[in-house]
Amino acid sequence: AQSVTQLGSHVSVSEGALVLLRCNYSSSVPPYLFWYVQYPNQGLQLLLKYTSAATLVKGINGFEAEFKKSETSFHLTKPSAHMSDAAEYFCAVSVRGGYNKLIFGAGTRLAVHP
Amino acid sequence: KAGVTQTPRYLIKTRGQQVTLSCSPISGHRSVSWYQQTPGQGLQFLFEYFSETQRNKGNFPGRFSGRQFSNSRSEMNVSTLELGDSALYLCASSLEGGPNEKLFFGSGTQLSVL
Repeated sequence: AQSVTQLGSHVSVSEGALVLLRCNYSSSVPPYLFWYVQYPNQGLQLLLKYTSAATLVKGINGFEAEFKKSETSFHLTKPSAHMSDAAEYFCAVSVRGGYNKLIFGAGTRLAVHP
Repeated sequence: KAGVTQTPRYLIKTRGQQVTLSCSPISGHRSVSWYQQTPGQGLQFLFEYFSETQRNKGNFPGRFSGRQFSNSRSEMNVSTLELGDSALYLCASSLEGGPNEKLFFGSGTQLSVL
């Protein structure tokens, strides 16, 4: 069975600092991996996705993630945090043949301090 | 292009009642999926519809049901409401429901069961 683990339910950084949100997955087959962001009182928005074309994936708002098969990881990074990045971030794995059935991690709430 | 629209935005019901939530997908999207989001269980897949057919179902009791109309609009119904059904219900749409497709989420319906 596929699963996703996000290390750290809360992460706090200073504005301008590096953002690193951790995600590890479990899958018996090559996975499709996603990062979604949720702002307060809103639905989820796709940041980026890995579909095996390239291990380093660039997304919106300056975020990127690197797929590391040997470590079963798909960590999300951004070189310089902005106040507007404060939100909850979800890592997810797609079930092949599962028709939009995403398995989500528990989420990481990112706080950005001035 | 209009996004995914969910109505109503908020609902308050009492135990034992039933409720119907509505979702209008992005124009041209034929796949609609539903997720439940709670603080304790996180984001969990409910079901997915394509061309008026349920193709996939999550691990929820039969009290949770849904349907899709010929215009791709979808509804989900919860009968005999329980306190634990209080949650944010999110609808998402995509073109065909493929495992690597981007999901577009609505802002959700916040259901409170008293």
